[in-house]
Amino acid sequence: ILNVEQSPQSLHVQEGDSTNFTCSFPSSNFYALHWYRWETAKSPEALFVMTLNGDEKKKGRISATLNTKEGYSYLYIKGSQPEDSATYLCAPFSGGYNKLIFGAGTRLAVHP
Amino acid sequence: SQTIHQWPATLVQPVGSPLSLECTVEGTSNPNLYWYRQAAGRGLQLLFYSVGIGQISSEVPQNLSASRPQDRQFILSSKKLLLSDSGFYLCAWSVNSGTTFGTETQYFGPGTRLLVL
Repeated sequence: ILNVEQSPQSLHVQEGDSTNFTCSFPSSNFYALHWYRWETAKSPEALFVMTLNGDEKKKGRISATLNTKEGYSYLYIKGSQPEDSATYLCAPFSGGYNKLIFGAGTRLAVHP
Repeated sequence: SQTIHQWPATLVQPVGSPLSLECTVEGTSNPNLYWYRQAAGRGLQLLFYSVGIGQISSEVPQNLSASRPQDRQFILSSKKLLLSDSGFYLCAWSVNSGTTFGTETQYFGPGTRLLVL
């Protein structure tokens, strides 16, 4: 099965810190990479969908980059706020599997 | 606007009992529907997906089944629950909007936490 790894598993930062985490995936049969944010007691919410090597997407203080040749994506949060506390999930869509394969997520806690 | 409902929110069931989880979507037609499970410490695992009424594709489970009796209704069932069925179950929907293959966003429901004792 497609191996999707997210690191770190969890992260604790102080309010105002900038942070980033990684999603690694096999680069073969790649179609798209999805990022979701999952806050406690809420539903996972889509953040970004990226398809092209070198893609960069931004939403407020959150941005993401994509390297399809080496099979990784970075998610950056600039000036973290407590409301950014959530689990961030990445999910590549592989043509070999024709479905999203979710990583286990990075759990971010931002402390005031 | 589209909304997705799941119920119940929480369920505690004994081993060997039956299961029925329901998911309904409002505000869209002919959605693709999905059932996912998250076991403790694991990523979301796709269990079933459906592209239309009566069309179900099974990904993994042996003792779980899914049905789609109506366009916007998706049901997850089991005749006899196992301890390993405990987890968080999420229903999701997407539509084929003519975008690049694999880029359709999935929209998730609030989930059902199932504890099998």
